Amino acid sequence: DAKTTQPPSMDCAEGRAANLPCNHSTISGNEYVYWYRQIHSQGPQYIIHGLKNNETNEMASLIITEDRKSSTLILPHATLRDTAVYYCIVRSGGTSYGKLTFGQGTILTVHP
Amino acid sequence: GAGVSQSPSNKVTEKGKDVELRCDPISGHTALYWYRQSLGQGLEFLIYFQGNSAPDKSGLPSDRFSAERTGGSVSTLTIQRTQQEDSAVYLCASSFSGGVGADTQYFGPGTRLTVL
Repeated sequence: DAKTTQPPSMDCAEGRAANLPCNHSTISGNEYVYWYRQIHSQGPQYIIHGLKNNETNEMASLIITEDRKSSTLILPHATLRDTAVYYCIVRSGGTSYGKLTFGQGTILTVHP
Repeated sequence: GAGVSQSPSNKVTEKGKDVELRCDPISGHTALYWYRQSLGQGLEFLIYFQGNSAPDKSGLPSDRFSAERTGGSVSTLTIQRTQQEDSAVYLCASSFSGGVGADTQYFGPGTRLTVL
């Protein structure tokens, strides 16, 4: 699976949009981009995933560049409860199976 | 619906003892994964079960670690002769298809293991 690069930390004001970048320049055609977050002492929580097109759900939006080499997770109105470590993961679809490879992620701190 | 559940939520044991950690996946999910997270570290893959296929054990750190999945549902992770470096949060995840197309893994709350 392709390697991802994320900034180690970011800050965001409560009520503002949080935009978390991820670089995955070696992504291949059948690899999906997944985002998870982990709030302190809890199991990782699935947020969103995408292949080529931009995606939106009740939690967030995922913007993938046309060349698929980078993406941005957008939390439209960040709250204090969104403070967490955010992981961008690239993983193959198709018949290759198995593990998610978690990097160090981005520590997002939402402040009042 | 019910998510992935794990038990116990916390386990304190003495060095050298054996421990068993349990995972109940989401009903209908065919794939089950174990990960662990040591203090201040990232998540580390341990083992993966998919249906009736042989499990992928490539992440198990030593032969003291083993896991089984009975009836394609509940899984138990066993650590024999525990060592202090085994102290970590052990996380279980399950998914519906195990890798065909997009395959979203859903995680349980974890079991915090402390080896004294």
